[in-house]
Amino acid sequence: AQSVTQLDSQVPVFEEAPVELRCNYSSSVSVYLFWYVQYPNQGLQLLLKYLSGSTLVKGINGFEAEFNKSQTSFHLRKPSVHISDTAEYFCAVRVTGGGNKLTFGTGTQLKVEL
Amino acid sequence: EAEVAQSPRYKITEKSQAVAFWCDPISGHATLYWYRQILGQGPELLVQFQDESVVDDSQLPKDRFSAERLKGVDSTLKIQPAELGDSAMYLCASSLGGQVQETQYFGPGTRLLVL
Repeated sequence: AQSVTQLDSQVPVFEEAPVELRCNYSSSVSVYLFWYVQYPNQGLQLLLKYLSGSTLVKGINGFEAEFNKSQTSFHLRKPSVHISDTAEYFCAVRVTGGGNKLTFGTGTQLKVEL
Repeated sequence: EAEVAQSPRYKITEKSQAVAFWCDPISGHATLYWYRQILGQGPELLVQFQDESVVDDSQLPKDRFSAERLKGVDSTLKIQPAELGDSAMYLCASSLGGQVQETQYFGPGTRLLVL
């Protein structure tokens, strides 16, 4: 069975600084990888996804992520964060042949400070 | 932009009572998902529908939870009786046809508090 690990439960960062949110996955088969963002008391919004092709994926709001198969990682990055990026970020995996079930990590709370 | 609708947004109930949540997916989306998100954790799939049929309910506690999507459009998730441990956010999501590469679009969720 697949699993997702987000090692950092909270990441504080100053505004305009770069940030990286880490995500590692475990699967014995090919995977599709997703990053979702959740603002307080709201549902999840897709930031970006990796299906195939280029390992560097660009998403909305200036975020990007790089798929690294050898490291089984899919870290999320932004070169300069804004106060409005304060939210919970979830990494998720879906495996080929496993239907459409998304398996989520436990989330990373990004807190952007002035 | 089309959105997934859910109601109510918040629900407070006492244990042993029955509760029901409603979801209206994006028009034309054949696949509908119900997730439960416990505070501090990621969402966990409870049930997945393809049109009106259940395709995955392996994580649904069937002794107290039920879900239906009678006409293959909107859906209702019910808990009877509610327990303290059911306090969580219940999220509904939909996707176009259930293909593995498709994006799932999430609604705003229903936050349930069981007292």
